[in-house]
Amino acid sequence: DGGITQSPKYLFRKEGQNVTLSCEQNLNHDAMYWYRQDPGQGLRLIYYSQIVNDFQKGDIAEGYSVSREKKESFPLTVTSAQKNPTAFYLCATTGQGNEKLFFGSGTQLSVL
Amino acid sequence: GENVEQHPSTLSVQEGDSAVIKCTYSDSASNYFPWYKQELGKGPQLIIDIRSNVGEKKDQRIAVTLNKTAKHFSLHITETQPEDSAVYFCAARPTDSNYQLIWGAGTKLIIKP
Repeated sequence: DGGITQSPKYLFRKEGQNVTLSCEQNLNHDAMYWYRQDPGQGLRLIYYSQIVNDFQKGDIAEGYSVSREKKESFPLTVTSAQKNPTAFYLCATTGQGNEKLFFGSGTQLSVL
Repeated sequence: GENVEQHPSTLSVQEGDSAVIKCTYSDSASNYFPWYKQELGKGPQLIIDIRSNVGEKKDQRIAVTLNKTAKHFSLHITETQPEDSAVYFCAARPTDSNYQLIWGAGTKLIIKP
């Protein structure tokens, strides 16, 4: 919301398929994050990037991949190795020295 | 590592009454405790936060209290209104986590008219 655009809003994945979730920001924030949200659970960190061309694994990185070629963009690929991909995926940013997370509106990924 | 437990999972209160949501954390070195509100179909938004050197912080109808000895912190909403209906998440940040947050499971707050 307010400068972070996630697309698509809904996404369906077939067995064995890789899918990519888009996250674009115009807040000029350095750090970007991907979280996974499952019903009845807290947010879990998948990957994060503090600067362009650099990113680190979070707590549940297996089966996911990311890239950070531009400051504005941090796409997440859900690979076929992720056996339980159905979840709500949230992208977030923080400015330099700022602890406040700004979140996008999320992408709901489901398996066909 | 840090673990954050949040209670209750669902809270239903009459409009105008107060609501309290509680979280406990396990790592005594955690030093930052934010609260986020998530409305249906949207991403969470920060509503209030507190640091470990402060016991209480207030912003209009919302307040957060921190008890470092007991390792728990609470969100207080007074004079609840229909627009307060949402899911609320607490989080804690351990000092050795490279600034990453550990999240509670969320509380669904329902405001009854």
